[in-house]
Amino acid sequence: EPEVTQTPSHQVTQMGQEVILHCVPISNHLYFYWYRQILGQKVEFLVSFYNNEISEKSEIFDDQFSVERPDGSNFTLKIRSTKLEDSAMYFCASRRDSKEAFFGQGTRLTVV
Amino acid sequence: GESVGLHLPTLSVQEGDNSIINCAYSNSASDYFIWYKQESGKGPQFIIDIRSNMDKRQGQRVTVLLNKTVKHLSLQIAATQPGDSAVYFCAENIRTSYDKVIFGPGTSLSVIP
Repeated sequence: EPEVTQTPSHQVTQMGQEVILHCVPISNHLYFYWYRQILGQKVEFLVSFYNNEISEKSEIFDDQFSVERPDGSNFTLKIRSTKLEDSAMYFCASRRDSKEAFFGQGTRLTVV
Repeated sequence: GESVGLHLPTLSVQEGDNSIINCAYSNSASDYFIWYKQESGKGPQFIIDIRSNMDKRQGQRVTVLLNKTVKHLSLQIAATQPGDSAVYFCAENIRTSYDKVIFGPGTSLSVIP
């Protein structure tokens, strides 16, 4: 069964450093997403990406964040100058059409 | 604005009993609803969905009910099993944008053997 793959599973970074989280969405999917989940809290929408551009973003997704689909298969989330409060699980998701989104297993980001 | 919320943050049920998890939403423009299950350390996993032109949909051991009048959604799990222990999120899509799925805060279901 096709699945969304995220790497790394756990990333530890120093405050102020840049991190890039990687995702490989399901191959025939057209919509791509990043979500964030702070420990014990709900899953929060960050950004959606369609047709090679951001289609929607939340107020969380400020200039510190960027997304890219560099080669037609990968979908990355870059966080510049990480802050302690960026520590969370980051989930990538993809969907083919107006149906359910499929989620990856997440990357646990720890900012120290 | 958009918001999805849950009535109960935690639920404990005996193995074999039925579970009911509730969710309230406030955006009348929402036309597609999804229930996700999240096990510890994993990503949300699709369980069942329902569109706003329906009021009930059944899957294997799960049923979703939608009451648009009071903007209420519920997930019923029949014969709850230990493997059902997880956090359950309802989520919604609004009609004008399939680009964003909004999650509710989650209900933790614990199954007592």
